[in-house]
Amino acid sequence: AQKVTQAQTEISVVEKEDVTLDCVYETRDTTYYLFWYKQPPSGELVFLIRRNSFDEQNEISGRYSWNFQKSTSSFNFTITASQVVDSAVYFCALRASSGGSNYKLTFGKGTLLTVNP
Amino acid sequence: AAGVIQSPRHLIKEKRETATLKCYPIPRHDTVYWYQQGPGQDPQFLISFYEKMQSDKGSIPDRFSAQQFSDYHSELNMSSLELGDSALYFCASSPGVAGELFFGEGSRLTVL
Repeated sequence: AQKVTQAQTEISVVEKEDVTLDCVYETRDTTYYLFWYKQPPSGELVFLIRRNSFDEQNEISGRYSWNFQKSTSSFNFTITASQVVDSAVYFCALRASSGGSNYKLTFGKGTLLTVNP
Repeated sequence: AAGVIQSPRHLIKEKRETATLKCYPIPRHDTVYWYQQGPGQDPQFLISFYEKMQSDKGSIPDRFSAQQFSDYHSELNMSSLELGDSALYFCASSPGVAGELFFGEGSRLTVL
């Protein structure tokens, strides 16, 4: 079975601080996909990134960066120089096929990030 | 580019009523997923369809049913609504098992 753990329920930072959101996953599959989604107060799920299990290269996109480490089953997300508009709930998610689940997406509980001015 | 379309965006029902949510996936996507997100919760998988056949089932109550039609749109039918069914319901489609899940904007159901 798949499991995603986001140990940080809530994080509060001051604007321009860097912040890292942790994500630890569990799966028995060798092929799987990891995602981060942002959910602002308006409710929609905004796709941020997808990584597959064979690509451990870290990625940077503007102020966002992701650190994927298979050795620790972690896929952490860092926002550099945070802004008030970054305030949202962030979900880490895993897509794998254990038990013939047809690659449904399993979400972590989410981390509520509040960036204060 | 076309996105996943969900309707209605908002729905208010009384207890014991029925509700139907519709989802129109991105063209040529072969898989549709339904998720339920309660207040302050993470999205929970309900059911999925691959090429119009049910492919997986999650924590979907027996009062709920879903199907995917020949034009690939999907409908989630909810009967005997309860207060606890109040949630945001997401539909997502995918072009295959390796791709991204594209989510619709969600349908917010309120049961009074």
